[in-house]
Amino acid sequence: EVQLVESGGGLVQPGGSLRLSCAASGFTFSTYAMTWVRQAPGKGLEWVSVISVSGGSTYYADSVKGRFTISRDNSKNTLYLQLDSLRADDTAVYYCAKPPGGVVASSIDYWGQGTLVTVSS
Amino acid sequence: QSALTQPASVSGSPGQSITISCTGTSSDVGGYNYVSWYQQHPGRAPKLMIYDVSNRPSGVSNRFSGSKSGNTASLTISGLQADDEADYYCSSYTSSSTLVFGGGTKVTVL
Repeated sequence: EVQLVESGGGLVQPGGSLRLSCAASGFTFSTYAMTWVRQAPGKGLEWVSVISVSGGSTYYADSVKGRFTISRDNSKNTLYLQLDSLRADDTAVYYCAKPPGGVVASSIDYWGQGTLVTVSS
Repeated sequence: QSALTQPASVSGSPGQSITISCTGTSSDVGGYNYVSWYQQHPGRAPKLMIYDVSNRPSGVSNRFSGSKSGNTASLTISGLQADDEADYYCSSYTSSSTLVFGGGTKVTVL
């Protein structure tokens, strides 16, 4: 059974940093591109970032480019998202997500339960 | 990275069929057969209902179907049931190797 378990969310002040983790199991993590998606309270889904199988290619939404960094450790089956220079509008539930295919993150077939990041003073 | 355009709300009576549209551009919806649809109930993670325009994952009811014409994709729910009341989002792969979501559609079963 595929499982994605996020951790690391919490309350942080504007300008602060957090590191989110996603522990993956139930599939061969090292053969799938992985994605982060967020959802602000009462709002829609927003794609945040994707990382290739090897970690050599990464892409970001314009809203987080230069502030967030996605990475992975295939030996630990873990996906990360480093959040720096946080702003109030980064407040959201952050979901770790897996595509149905391996290399191309063209869709999402499994989602984690999400971890809440709240940016407030 | 503009969001795909969906109607804010769609409603129907039990047993009826409804269709939700999702409009993008030739750089996303129109350029790839990588349109997906997700159902989200309050407080829950989204659930994949349709992928690659018209494919249903195992376990998803055949009352859900997808299609695409040009830059617009559609999700049709037939035989509407009370449990179908939820938010629905479309997504598309883009020419920038990213994913873009629609703004979401609230489906109400009257």
